Amino acid sequence: DTAVSQTPKYLVTQMGNDKSIKCEQNLGHDTMYWYKQDSKKFLKIMFSYNNKELIINETVPNRFSPKSPDKAHLNLHINSLELGDSAVYFCASSQVSSGRKYGYTFGSGTRLTVV
Amino acid sequence: QKEVEQDPGPLSVPEGAIVSLNCTYSNSAFQYFMWYRQYSRKGPELLMYTYSSGNKEDGRFTAQVDKSSKYISLFIRDSQPSDSATYLCAIAGAGSYQLTFGKGTKLSVIP
Repeated sequence: DTAVSQTPKYLVTQMGNDKSIKCEQNLGHDTMYWYKQDSKKFLKIMFSYNNKELIINETVPNRFSPKSPDKAHLNLHINSLELGDSAVYFCASSQVSSGRKYGYTFGSGTRLTVV
Repeated sequence: QKEVEQDPGPLSVPEGAIVSLNCTYSNSAFQYFMWYRQYSRKGPELLMYTYSSGNKEDGRFTAQVDKSSKYISLFIRDSQPSDSATYLCAIAGAGSYQLTFGKGTKLSVIP
């Protein structure tokens, strides 16, 4: 019954590899987000999709590419991984058309370690 | 100046204490103020959701917004060991899709 699920939970990979993180939500929300949480626990927005349309695209290396095949899914592909990409990546969703559009539901995170 | 400033702590209190967590922000256009709680190795979860100035109470938790001072607070009464977590303030402006988070305050409630 997980509302926002991310896979994988843990990812250890070598520098230079390409990897993907998948996110699915079953809440019927219309907007999904990717956030990066660094080692100091700071949460920073990366991307957001509203009804499959990219609406937030923060200053992120173009090695990061989001893709939303439908409203319930938002994936993150990372090319040529670097040591500095090591972080926890959180997917979140919200219903923008409701009165609580900032009431995000977060997934449990994907802990990425680049070695 | 960062958009949202939050003292990272850590903050350690005895069980039963009243806890006060605070954030300041710089942009007076912000109108939505949230508090999220994050347990270790979990995603943040929404705790309080407020719009504009004033107080909002939910059980042992009270969120307070003072827009004139650009200051938001979360009070926890009768704190419990299960309240031990990182608390993140988050703010947004009307019409924005984007939440801006503070860095979080790590709270430990000692039995």
